[in-house]
Amino acid sequence: GQQLNQSPQSMFIQEGEDVSMNCTSSSIFNTWLWYKQEPGEGPVLLIALYKAGELTSNGRLTAQFGITRKDSFLNISASIPSDVGIYFCAGQITNAGKSTFGDGTTLTVKP
Amino acid sequence: DTEVTQTPKHLVMGMTNKKSLKCEQHMGHRAMYWYKQKAKKPPELMFVYSYEKLSINESVPSRFSPECPNSSLLNLHLHALQPEDSALYLCASSQGTGTGSQPQHFGDGTRLSIL
Repeated sequence: GQQLNQSPQSMFIQEGEDVSMNCTSSSIFNTWLWYKQEPGEGPVLLIALYKAGELTSNGRLTAQFGITRKDSFLNISASIPSDVGIYFCAGQITNAGKSTFGDGTTLTVKP
Repeated sequence: DTEVTQTPKHLVMGMTNKKSLKCEQHMGHRAMYWYKQKAKKPPELMFVYSYEKLSINESVPSRFSPECPNSSLLNLHLHALQPEDSALYLCASSQGTGTGSQPQHFGDGTRLSIL
């Protein structure tokens, strides 16, 4: 089955710094999703991408759907302590009915 | 607050017990999902219901039995679980399973511990 390689596995950054993480796959996806999960909660959808090359922002978050449809990245600008959590990418194929998740990037922000 | 509600939040059960996890959404979504998540790992898909019919079973052991009584409710019946089944069980819903309708909204999960 499809696999997603998400990197980095973890990041320790200072408040105010920018963050970049990405997901790559050997397979093509039609939709890319980015989720954030905090302790004791379920994943929360941050950004959904539906078209190759699409660049979408949500506040300080920006994500892009790679031109090859095999990758996506998420940037967080000017990080703050509440950005702490695990960020998951997920890819979907049309009508497959399910998502393939990356292994997550754990973000720690030091004040 | 999440729009997908799961109960109970925590459950401790013995290996011979029978219990059920419940999930409810009122967003009019027609697809509902069960996931299992171990600590620091991504969610693993277990079951997908589309329009109240089971559409995907990811080779889940029969000690897990899903049920979708109506489009708003999803249950997961548990029987004779093993200690390795201890995990966070997440429910999710989406408008459908076609392109553009697939982003899933997750509940906060049920933390299950098997003694």
